[in-house]
Amino acid sequence: DAMVIQNPRYQVTQFGKPVTLSCSQTLNHNVMYWYQQKSSQAPKLLFHYYDKDFNNEADTPDNFQSRRPNTSFCFLDIRSPGLGDAAMYLCATSRDGRYQPQHFGDGTRLSIL
Amino acid sequence: QKEVEQNSGPLSVPEGAIASLNCTYSDRGSQSFFWYRQYSGKSPELIMFIYSNGDKEDGRFTAQLNKASQYVSLLIRDSQPSDSATYLCAVNDAGGTSYGKLTFGQGTILTVHP
Repeated sequence: DAMVIQNPRYQVTQFGKPVTLSCSQTLNHNVMYWYQQKSSQAPKLLFHYYDKDFNNEADTPDNFQSRRPNTSFCFLDIRSPGLGDAAMYLCATSRDGRYQPQHFGDGTRLSIL
Repeated sequence: QKEVEQNSGPLSVPEGAIASLNCTYSDRGSQSFFWYRQYSGKSPELIMFIYSNGDKEDGRFTAQLNKASQYVSLLIRDSQPSDSATYLCAVNDAGGTSYGKLTFGQGTILTVHP
């Protein structure tokens, strides 16, 4: 039944070791988003795609990259994770992005050793 | 700087009472408004969305929107302990080239005690 699926649910990596988080959707939505959420804070948008059109937030660190090879999948790459990157990473989708709501996956909890 | 402000919490209500969550936003051109519920350690779950002035009801939940006052609220009737969570108000970016950039409030922690 899950429509926005994130893998893995929990990820532990070492300081500086690249990590990739994945998101897939069965909703055939045009827009996919990546958010970072730290404890007791609101989700913070990192970037989003409308189809293959990529939009990067101005304050998203260069350390964060994203790929969307097709409609269903989107990946978040963290090239050299630092301790400050430990957070919940949320993927969301929306049919049109302007009026339709965003639906979130279960998230990936990233820990940095 | 577009802002979304929620009533400061935490909010504590007894079981069966009405919980009232409030949110104001700064961008007068905003068009769509969302309430998400987030349990501790979980992802946000969509509860309600509203686009037009007035009330929108879904079961025990009612969203209210007043664009003139730039105010949106969520009422939870017959509150249950399972409603205890953080409630996030989110407002959609009205313009620009971004597709549905949400501005979130800081969240209100609701506790429903038996």
